[in-house]
Amino acid sequence: AQKVTQAQTEISVVEKEDVTLDCVYETRDTTYYLFWYKQPPSGELVFLIRRNSFDEQNEISGRYSWNFQKSTSSFNFTITASQVVDSAVYFCALSEARRDDKIIFGKGTRLHILP
Amino acid sequence: DVKVTQSSRYLVKRTGEKVFLECVQDMDHENMFWYRQDPGLGLRLIYFSYDVKMKEKGDIPEGYSVSREKKERFSLILESASTNQTSMYLCASRPQVFDSPLHFGNGTRLTVT
Repeated sequence: AQKVTQAQTEISVVEKEDVTLDCVYETRDTTYYLFWYKQPPSGELVFLIRRNSFDEQNEISGRYSWNFQKSTSSFNFTITASQVVDSAVYFCALSEARRDDKIIFGKGTRLHILP
Repeated sequence: DVKVTQSSRYLVKRTGEKVFLECVQDMDHENMFWYRQDPGLGLRLIYFSYDVKMKEKGDIPEGYSVSREKKERFSLILESASTNQTSMYLCASRPQVFDSPLHFGNGTRLTVT
């Protein structure tokens, strides 16, 4: 069965601290994509990154980095030197090649960056 | 940039009313989706559409229907609104490619009283 687990419901850190958001997924498909989305207080989910199941290279984009490990079925997201503008709800999602209609979302992690 | 527009940001309706939530996208995407978002439950798929006049039930279709008469527009219909349908409703679209990310509208917060 497909499943995405974001065990951290809510996290609070002080500005400039690093923070990691965890995402663990389950799938029987060998071809799949993983996504991270950000939902700021305005409400609109914004796409951050996509990673396919055959590419385990980590990715860095500015203060954001993603660690994909198939061995542990995890796709974790780290924000370095956090800023207040990073405060949002972050969603991890899974899309499988054989079920392209079924995009599975985790329940989200609400991140508070305290000034 | 892809633009997904939901017609209302906030709606307040009475129990039993028929409610229409409209969503329009401007990038000729084949796939369109309706989700509802509730605290602690994340995003749950209500309905999706592969293309014009095509629709499939998602995980929680009960109490909802949809209409897709034109490619750019996907409507969610609450036939007889109930208080348990008070929620944030999110529309999304993407091309017919499974690795494409979803593009979301900014949501409609519906309150049924």
